[in-house]
Amino acid sequence: DQQVKQNSPSLSVQEGRISILNCDYTNSMFDYFLWYKKYPAEGPTFLISISSIKDKNEDGRFTVFLNKSAKHLSLHIVPSQPGDSAVYFCAASAASGTYKYIFGTGTRLKVLA
Amino acid sequence: SQTIHQWPATLVQPVGSPLSLECTVEGTSNPNLYWYRQAAGRGLQLLFYSVGIGQISSEVPQNLSASRPQDRQFILSSKKLLLSDSGFYLCAWRQGTFGNQPQHFGDGTRLSIL
Repeated sequence: DQQVKQNSPSLSVQEGRISILNCDYTNSMFDYFLWYKKYPAEGPTFLISISSIKDKNEDGRFTVFLNKSAKHLSLHIVPSQPGDSAVYFCAASAASGTYKYIFGTGTRLKVLA
Repeated sequence: SQTIHQWPATLVQPVGSPLSLECTVEGTSNPNLYWYRQAAGRGLQLLFYSVGIGQISSEVPQNLSASRPQDRQFILSSKKLLLSDSGFYLCAWRQGTFGNQPQHFGDGTRLSIL
């Protein structure tokens, strides 16, 4: 049972344009969502997060949108840069003492120069 | 600042051999600690997590075990490796006491079983 889904395994975008990465979840108890960026042979790096009490969080070129009714979140990168080429994972957690995160399968973003 | 160290970076082991991967965190106390595996073309699968010394929770039945002998040390072990244990193993930590906080990952260990 995949509680967090990233249905697009890959995405190609021209440099300077917007990249939109999508993530869907099924568990309505999730209340904290994160995006991570991963380069090959490295650990994931935390990018941005959002609490379920918000519908938008922005940090520089990165914005995360949360649509709770649709159980959908997205990451917007504007403008996209070649260095953004990586695999992006979304993750979600439900309030508990363990703070376990459920990760999606990732979307490989390629930004074309 | 906090840092996480994971070693070795790569490991090639024969089937049936034992395994010990180590992870240590510096600059924080009483962290939550996690072991993940990323199989080829797959997402991150949580294997074990720990909220304190000696406390281990297992997420999936498998050939591996974990231990936390010290506050900031997390060890992943196996007595006899299987071919299916190949993958990219990641250790992560998060601050254990302040509500929603992101997990922070080490650089991982690439484990190949021959």
